[in-house]
Amino acid sequence: NAGVTQTPKFQVLKTGQSMTLQCAQDMNHEYMSWYRQDPGMGLRLIHYSVGAGITDQGEVPNGYNVSRSTTEDFPLRLLSAAPSQTSVYFCASSYSGWNTEAFFGQGTRLTVV
Amino acid sequence: DAKTTQPPSMDCAEGRAANLPCNHSTISGNEYVYWYRQIHSQGPQYIIHGLKNNETNEMASLIITEDRKSSTLILPHATLRDTAVYYCIVCPGSAGANNLFFGTGTRLTVIP
Repeated sequence: NAGVTQTPKFQVLKTGQSMTLQCAQDMNHEYMSWYRQDPGMGLRLIHYSVGAGITDQGEVPNGYNVSRSTTEDFPLRLLSAAPSQTSVYFCASSYSGWNTEAFFGQGTRLTVV
Repeated sequence: DAKTTQPPSMDCAEGRAANLPCNHSTISGNEYVYWYRQIHSQGPQYIIHGLKNNETNEMASLIITEDRKSSTLILPHATLRDTAVYYCIVCPGSAGANNLFFGTGTRLTVIP
């Protein structure tokens, strides 16, 4: 049981480049979400999903796209990277329903130059 | 919107109990109090949660006041590995991994 797996762990992009951050979970969780964490700050929600085929925007969605074609995977796409997107990105998952806890991946540290 | 208020930092001697306070005066009836921690730059780790009763697990105890406007996370015997940022989060019980507002948390430093 690997939990929540994020790849890559580190990435450097040039301004304007696009890329996809991968997130996979093997716990059959319905809920998945992406957060970003800037230095000295708490995590902020980018996008989330309540099940395959269903996604919605969080607090800071601009510049990011997501899709959820399977229960296991929830990739985050940066369309045209900007220096303001330099951050650490965390993926999380949980069961749906009441009274559940979130499981987080180990993060992807992204630098946009 | 900040739903919780936590002190920015605290120190605790190794082996002593660490008591981390959290104010959540606007909590509504269907909202739970969750605690997560983040060690160094790792992904946040779930600790404990509760609705209105005190809760205990192998990691910690959670004490919620009767009016539910504040709570305290207790690490009974703090170790150096408990040095981390602790986040108190108020959210509906159905939130799961979604719509968690982390704030800036309390940085706990356990001192040898």
